[in-house]
Amino acid sequence: DAGVIQSPRHEVTEMGQEVTLRCKPISGHNSLFWYRQTMMRGLELLIYFNNNVPIDDSGMPEDRFSAKMPNASFSTLKIQPSEPRDSAVYFCASSSPSGHNTEAFFGQGTRLTVV
Amino acid sequence: QQQVKQSPQSLIVQKGGISIINCAYENTAFDYFPWYQQFPGKGPALLIAIRPDVSEKKEGRFTISFNKSAKQFSLHIMDSQPGDSATYFCAAIGMGGLTFGKGTHLIIQP
Repeated sequence: DAGVIQSPRHEVTEMGQEVTLRCKPISGHNSLFWYRQTMMRGLELLIYFNNNVPIDDSGMPEDRFSAKMPNASFSTLKIQPSEPRDSAVYFCASSSPSGHNTEAFFGQGTRLTVV
Repeated sequence: QQQVKQSPQSLIVQKGGISIINCAYENTAFDYFPWYQQFPGKGPALLIAIRPDVSEKKEGRFTISFNKSAKQFSLHIMDSQPGDSATYFCAAIGMGGLTFGKGTHLIIQP
């Protein structure tokens, strides 16, 4: 398996534009996580899906952020409208269905810059 | 509320020395405690993990010490090498998934 695949690797956009980040989890994994990483706040959990259903979205900063998982092999994180303070590295991770005490595998991340 | 507190924020250790990173948690529902290692431009990767019914776990040069009563755990890197230079995150797992500490930027000087 190629691991968790995220696209794009880098995104530069203007303030006010819509941004969509994409994630393909590892085949067979049923849990998917979106994280945001900044120097100031570290790694923050934004939202967590289990079997394609959002379980905990309390980390989503505001209504400008939305996430979907239409099927087991694809998830998106959308920011509309984007703001400079959204600039960060966004990671997607997935884990297997053998209980929650399992390793989460991370993608390479998407570095988002909003100017 | 920060559920997992990690210190120090940055650490410089001489080659061959012992690197020690500490974490404390608040939620007693956490039941699995992994450490992740992250190199620049990469996502975090699992390094070593421990369950709360074990006080210590060792894998090669990496050891986790766990104190359940104090709700603290630490990572020790013995004989630290320049290749260990990275950012280290402690984490705790409960029903809501992984919660990370803020990370420790470790530099091993040759």
